[in-house]
Amino acid sequence: NAGVTQTPKFRILKIGQSMTLQCTQDMNHNYMYWYRQDPGMGLKLIYYSVGAGITDKGEVPNGYNVSRSTTEDFPLRLELAAPSQTSVYFCASSYSESQPQHFGDGTRLSIL
Amino acid sequence: EDKVVQSPLSLVVHEGDTVTLNCSYEVTNFRSLLWYKQEKKAPTFLFMLTSSGIEKKSGRLSSILDKKELFSILNITATQTGDSAIYLCAVSLSGAGSYQLTFGKGTKLSVIP
Repeated sequence: NAGVTQTPKFRILKIGQSMTLQCTQDMNHNYMYWYRQDPGMGLKLIYYSVGAGITDKGEVPNGYNVSRSTTEDFPLRLELAAPSQTSVYFCASSYSESQPQHFGDGTRLSIL
Repeated sequence: EDKVVQSPLSLVVHEGDTVTLNCSYEVTNFRSLLWYKQEKKAPTFLFMLTSSGIEKKSGRLSSILDKKELFSILNITATQTGDSAIYLCAVSLSGAGSYQLTFGKGTKLSVIP
């Protein structure tokens, strides 16, 4: 099993550009999550989804959007990149809200 | 505000030492506490603890939860250089809409030969 796969692994954006971070999982998990991790800080939840067609905001959603058209995929979109969005982004999934979350390898994003 | 605090923030030990990592929490509607190991990439799941006093063990790693005093410890015995990583503690909450994990800042463990 591949688990949770994120692409790309690295990306440099200019201020104001947009991009989509891809996340796909092959574990048939209903729950999917996007976190960001800044140096010296814990992971912060951006958005989550409890199933196809259902998404909701987490702790730090400003500047991001998500969609969930299939069980497998949960892309994260940055519309107008800002330097404050420089971070490492992790996608995770779980079978239910009470089960452990499993993480992808992350996308390191720099905005200059 | 829900809070998870890990200590120490960093630790350097020699191979063969035993280490104890600490995690305290102040949250509403506690469901479980989870430990993850993060090397260069994805946090990988170690343990999930829901009940007080029951030790979870996997090889040289073990963990226990104290729900009365609101803390957990992660023990690593006979440390190896491969144990070098950031260890993350996270708390899961119960209740409607409580899907996120609240993470601590992590403990960076360095094991030197």
